[in-house]
Amino acid sequence: IQLVQSGAEVKKPGASVKVSCKASGYTFTNYGITWVRQAPGQGLEWMGWISAYNGNTNYARKIRGRVTMTTDTSTSTVYMELRSLRSDDTALYYCARDIDDYSDTSGRLAFDPWGQGTLVTVSS
Amino acid sequence: DIQMTQSPSSLSASVGDRITITCQASQDISNYLNWYQQKPGKAPKLLIYDASKLQTGVPSKFSGSGFGTHFTFTISSLQPEDIATYYCQHYDSLPVTFGQGTRLEIK
Repeated sequence: IQLVQSGAEVKKPGASVKVSCKASGYTFTNYGITWVRQAPGQGLEWMGWISAYNGNTNYARKIRGRVTMTTDTSTSTVYMELRSLRSDDTALYYCARDIDDYSDTSGRLAFDPWGQGTLVTVSS
Repeated sequence: DIQMTQSPSSLSASVGDRITITCQASQDISNYLNWYQQKPGKAPKLLIYDASKLQTGVPSKFSGSGFGTHFTFTISSLQPEDIATYYCQHYDSLPVTFGQGTRLEIK
């Protein structure tokens, strides 16, 4: 079971970024994917969750309106797009799989494995 | 949002020591609590879920306990490969939140 994320990005304030997370080694549509970010030297912040089964999403209030998570079942890939980037969006962005299949956000939310992380730098 | 407070923020211990980290939730979260290990430059790894269940493949030297608002994470015998930052995470309600982390160092 593996999640492989796209490469590092450098963006200007106000731009958008789209990070991909390609899954392998399991039935993609059976599990949800969560996105977590980590600012430099800081802790972990949950961004949101998407069901790879039906595309249902749940986003953190802090970024709702600026984030969209989508799936492409033909390539077993999850995408996270963040718009109107600000300097405080500079962070390592991780995708991570639910440990339970057919779960939703009312169930157990524990994440394993994680992708390797994608560094997004927002700078003018 | 539920606040998760870990203590200590950092910990220095010797090889072979038994170490314990605590995590306090700002409200009752039942046993909806997970523990992760993040080694330097690496992604987090799930060690414990549902407060006390060991994730598949995780050594039994790691353990967790607790219910309600107070939780503990223990390493029975510290080894050099355990150097990492450890995070608790609740899933009682959205948004899930993480503790601020406990950085573990070897003396």
